Amino acid sequence: GAGVSQSPSNKVTEKGKDVELRCDPISGHTALYWYRQRLGQGLEFLIYFQGNSAPDKSGLPSDRFSAERTGESVSTLTIQRTQQEDSAVYLCASSLTGGLANEKLFFGSGTQLSVL
Amino acid sequence: GNSVTQMEGPVTLSEEAFLTINCTYTATGYPSLFWYVQYPGEGLQLLLKATKADDKGSNKGFEATYRKETTSFHLEKGSVQVSDSAVYFCALGLNRDDKIIFGKGTRLHILP
Repeated sequence: GAGVSQSPSNKVTEKGKDVELRCDPISGHTALYWYRQRLGQGLEFLIYFQGNSAPDKSGLPSDRFSAERTGESVSTLTIQRTQQEDSAVYLCASSLTGGLANEKLFFGSGTQLSVL
Repeated sequence: GNSVTQMEGPVTLSEEAFLTINCTYTATGYPSLFWYVQYPGEGLQLLLKATKADDKGSNKGFEATYRKETTSFHLEKGSVQVSDSAVYFCALGLNRDDKIIFGKGTRLHILP
């Protein structure tokens, strides 16, 4: 596609429910990143994919969070048993090859998650 | 650990004013430095970057110089426009790591 696409753009859920967030990276981009942005805070790194493998999961805040990527394209971020502190904008980004500090990231518009 | 600190916002200026948004970093090694911008309703996009000391990144009238001696990468523009209103993020990346570390962002409001 023309850019990184994320869905849904907004998600309201009840505490304790599971949610799935989707990211479609730019076609041909092998690297994919998930970040979280809480209100008034900076971007918090969650996980990085190189192809379908995740060499860096260090940012996942708890075992309620998991992510997968299939076919070197679409990625889903799953949050189980959501808590109110999970409310944030979840951003996805992709880059051509990844693993290079000077490579440009292309971001999606994010999913605004609200846990009631 | 590696981190980025940027000035708190919001910053409010009148059109044609001079802009500086401060950014300092802590890193083990020699990072690349970036400024990303998020316009209202849009995703983050790269504004400019510098990959080594004394490099100057520039784009759309914005500039930032990689200062190793002061570990800084301040963003400047000589004459801001209303269309520059956005959130600006300073960031760093290290070749041996797989992630870009972002600051908290600085919201900029330009008044006509």
